[in-house]
Amino acid sequence: AQSVTQLDSQVPVFEEAPVELRCNYSSSVSVYLFWYVQYPNQGLQLLLKYLSGSTLVESINGFEAEFNKSQTSFHLRKPSVHISDSAEYFCAVSDQQGAQKLVFGQGTRLTINP
Amino acid sequence: NAGVTQTPKFRVLKTGQSMTLLCAQDMNHEYMYWYRQDPGMGLRLIHYSVGEGTTAKGEVPDGYNVSRLKKQNFLLGLESAAPSQTSVYFCASRTWGYANEQFFGPGTRLTVL
Repeated sequence: AQSVTQLDSQVPVFEEAPVELRCNYSSSVSVYLFWYVQYPNQGLQLLLKYLSGSTLVESINGFEAEFNKSQTSFHLRKPSVHISDSAEYFCAVSDQQGAQKLVFGQGTRLTINP
Repeated sequence: NAGVTQTPKFRVLKTGQSMTLLCAQDMNHEYMYWYRQDPGMGLRLIHYSVGEGTTAKGEVPDGYNVSRLKKQNFLLGLESAAPSQTSVYFCASRTWGYANEQFFGPGTRLTVL
C-alpha cells in the first residue's frame, strides 16, 4: 500500500516570490508520481508526472518537481508565482501495475497575495 | 469532445434516501474511477472499473455501489444516504497504458441532511 503526506495544508506567498510545496510518500513497490491542480469549483487537472529517467520534471506553466528516491519526496517548485497560480495542489502516487489507482495527499492550498 | 461529465452538479438528500450519480466520458477510456473529496483528506477512491462490465472496490467503498454496463458510463449509487456521505464526488477516466493522465469531471456536491 502507498501513502502520501503533503507537509503544508496552506502556503501563502506574495506574487513573483518563489514557492515550494512539499510532498513525501511511502511505498513498498516502485511508483509513478504526480502533481494535480484544482482551481476553485473545478475538477483536478494534471500538472506534471514522473515515470522514470531524469529526476527533474517540468510543466508548461513554469512549475517543476524533483524526485528524490532516498528521501521519498517529490516537492513542487516555481521560481516566481502569479495570481493565477492560486489553487489547491495535490500530490499523488500510483503503483506501476494493474489499475494504477491514484493515492492522493491531503492537498496544499496555495494563496498568492498581491 | 465534452470529456468527463457528471450529473447532477448539486443534490440535497435526506438521511435514508437513495440516489444515483452518473459519470459519462466520450474519450473511449477503459478505466473509470469514483472519488470523494473531503476537507483536509484529499481525494479517496470509492470504486473503480477497468473495463465494461467490471467493477472493484477502492479505499472507502462502504455504503456505495457501482455499475458499468456501458463503456462510456460509470454509475455511483447510494442506497441509504447518511450524513457521513456529505462530500464532493469526482469521477475520472483514463486510457490504457502506463501512468496515463486521469481526466476528471467537474464534480457533484452532495449534502445529506
